[in-house]
Amino acid sequence: AQSVTQLDSHVSVSEGTPVLLRCNYSSSYSPSLFWYVQHPNKGLQLLLKYTSAATLVKGINGFEAEFKKSETSFHLTKPSAHMSDAAEYFCVLKTSYDKVIFGPGTSLSVIP
Amino acid sequence: GAVVSQHPSWVICKSGTSVKIECRSLDFQATTMFWYRQFPKQSLMLMATSNEGSKATYEQGVEKDKFLINHASLTLSTLTVTSAHPEDSSFYICSASRELASTDTQYFGPGTRLTVL
Repeated sequence: AQSVTQLDSHVSVSEGTPVLLRCNYSSSYSPSLFWYVQHPNKGLQLLLKYTSAATLVKGINGFEAEFKKSETSFHLTKPSAHMSDAAEYFCVLKTSYDKVIFGPGTSLSVIP
Repeated sequence: GAVVSQHPSWVICKSGTSVKIECRSLDFQATTMFWYRQFPKQSLMLMATSNEGSKATYEQGVEKDKFLINHASLTLSTLTVTSAHPEDSSFYICSASRELASTDTQYFGPGTRLTVL
C-alpha cells in the first residue's frame, strides 16, 4: 500500500530559526515526491520535487528537501524562517501519472 | 508559465440543483487533469483523474453519476456536481499536468468553494 505521513500536524518556529517539516512515505514503486505550500485563499504552489535524480533537492524561497530511501523520508527544511512562510504544507507521493496521494498537511506558524 | 484557472471561485446553490465548475490551463496543454476535494482544515482528497478525450478514472468511493467530469480539450476540464446536497459543500480544486508521467508536476487552480443550501 502507498501512503504519506506528515508526523506533525502543526509546527511553530520563531522568525529567523530553522524549519523542519517531516514527511515519510510508503511505496512499493519508485516514488516521485513533491512538497506544495498552500497559503490562505490561494492555490497550491510547488516548492520542490524529487524524481530520482539528485537526492538533495533545492526549491523556491530557500526550501530544500532530502530524499532518504533507507528512512523512507523526504523532510522539508529551511535555514531561517520568514513570516511569509506561515502556511499549510503538503507532502505528495506519486507512483504513476494518475496515482496521487497527499499527506495530511502540516500547518507552519512563524512567531515574530 | 503553467497557470491554471478555475471558474467560478465560489458558488452558492440550492439543494437539488446542478453546478458546473471549469478548470482551464491557460498557457500550456494539459494531458491530464485532476479533481480534488478539500474539507476545512484537512488535506486534499483525489476524486478523479481525466485525460483529454477519454473517460475519467474515479477514486474508490467517488460516485461517477454524482460528479460528472468532462475533459473535452487539452485546456479545459469540467466538474459537474449533479443534484447537489448540503453534504457536497466543499472546496473543489483542480490541477493539470503536461505529461503522463509520475514525475510531472501538477499545477493547481485556486479552487472553487461550493456551498449547497
